[in-house]
Order: sequence, then C-alpha cells, then structure tokens
Amino acid sequence: QVQLQESGPGLMKPSETLSLTCTVSGDSISTYHWSWIRQPPGKGLEWIGYTTYTGSTKSSPSLKSRVTISVDTSKNEFSLKLTSVTAADAALYYCARGETARLGAFHIWGQGTMVSVSS
Amino acid sequence: SYVLTQPPSVSVAPGESASITCGGDYIGSKSVHWYQQRPGQAPVVVVYDDSDRPSGIPERFSGSNSGNTATLIISRVEAGDEADYYCQVWDSSSDHYVFGAGTKVTVL
Repeated sequence: QVQLQESGPGLMKPSETLSLTCTVSGDSISTYHWSWIRQPPGKGLEWIGYTTYTGSTKSSPSLKSRVTISVDTSKNEFSLKLTSVTAADAALYYCARGETARLGAFHIWGQGTMVSVSS
Repeated sequence: SYVLTQPPSVSVAPGESASITCGGDYIGSKSVHWYQQRPGQAPVVVVYDDSDRPSGIPERFSGSNSGNTATLIISRVEAGDEADYYCQVWDSSSDHYVFGAGTKVTVL
C-alpha cells in the first residue's frame, strides 16, 4: 500500500523560506512523477510543481521564481522549497503521485500539512 | 494561461443524477481528470483520462469530454457524494497542470 507523508514547519514568518518533505512508503520513488499541490483555507487546489526521480522538474508559472523541487532517491522522498513566503502562501500543502511516462492524474495523495504565515 | 470553468455549486436530490461541467478551450483534445474532496479529507481521483474509473470507484461516476466541455456525471446520488469536485488537465502549451475552481455538490 503506497503512502505519502508530508512534513514541515506549521508556522512561518513572512519572508522566510518554507521547506517541506514528502516521504514515500510502499513504493519506489524511482518511477512516476511526484507533485506538490496546495489549498488555501476555504479555496481550491493549486498545482505547485513536480519532479521525476531523475530530478527533472516543472513549476507553476505563477510560483516558478520562488519554487525549488528536489528528489532524494536514497531516502525515497522529495522536497519543496518556497522562498519569501507571505500570508498568501498560507495553505494546506499536499504531495501526490502522478503517473509514470505521462503527465496524467494524481492517483495517490498525502493527507496534507498545514502551513500558516504570521509575524 | 489555460482556464477551466466550473459551476460553483450543484444541488441534487438523492437518487437523481448530478452533472458537473468543466469548460475550457478545446478541452476535448486534452485528458481530463476529476477529483472528489470531502470536508477535511485529501482529494481522491474519481475519473481519469476523461472517462476511466480507478478501482474502488463506483460505476455511478462517469465522465465524458468533447469540444469545449468535459462533464462528470454522478448517477443515483447518495448523501456520501456530497463534496467538492475539481477537474484538472495538463496544459502542454504552458507546461503546467491546471485545476478548475471546484464545484460544491449538495445533496438535498
């Protein structure tokens, strides 16, 4: 049974860099595309970006300048860094598994980790 | 950038069918995926690649996609189907995933 678990700080200060990790269990990270998605309280889903196990990445145009996504195959995990956070970055952050050779649906999601931003 | 348009809400009586649309330019040429998100839970894919269902998803959930509109139909709606539903595509012209704003399905 494949499981994804997000981890990271729950509270950030404005201008800090957010770092989140998604640990994959029950499957090798060395296949599939792995994405980050966020959801502000009471709002819809926003795709942040993905990585493959080779480290190939793509990010949302609106966040691209602040986002770094990386993968660590030895730990079976991938990570998100978001620089210069503001209140607009407060959200529930999900990691999700996509498909192998194509950019299809997200079939497996983590439970999400809540990030708040406050001075 | 590519925009997906969903109705904010749909209301349906138990046992009836709910139809949720997702509009986008030439969306019929893209693969559309649909997610159900119950309150306090992570999204779950209920239809992928326009009309395929993952194992464990009831046959009551079906999808279609043509022209500028994709549609998710929930037949014989149950109270447990009350949730937010999101459509999603990969926009190859801009190299990113796009989600619709979501549709809240209320079971009367």
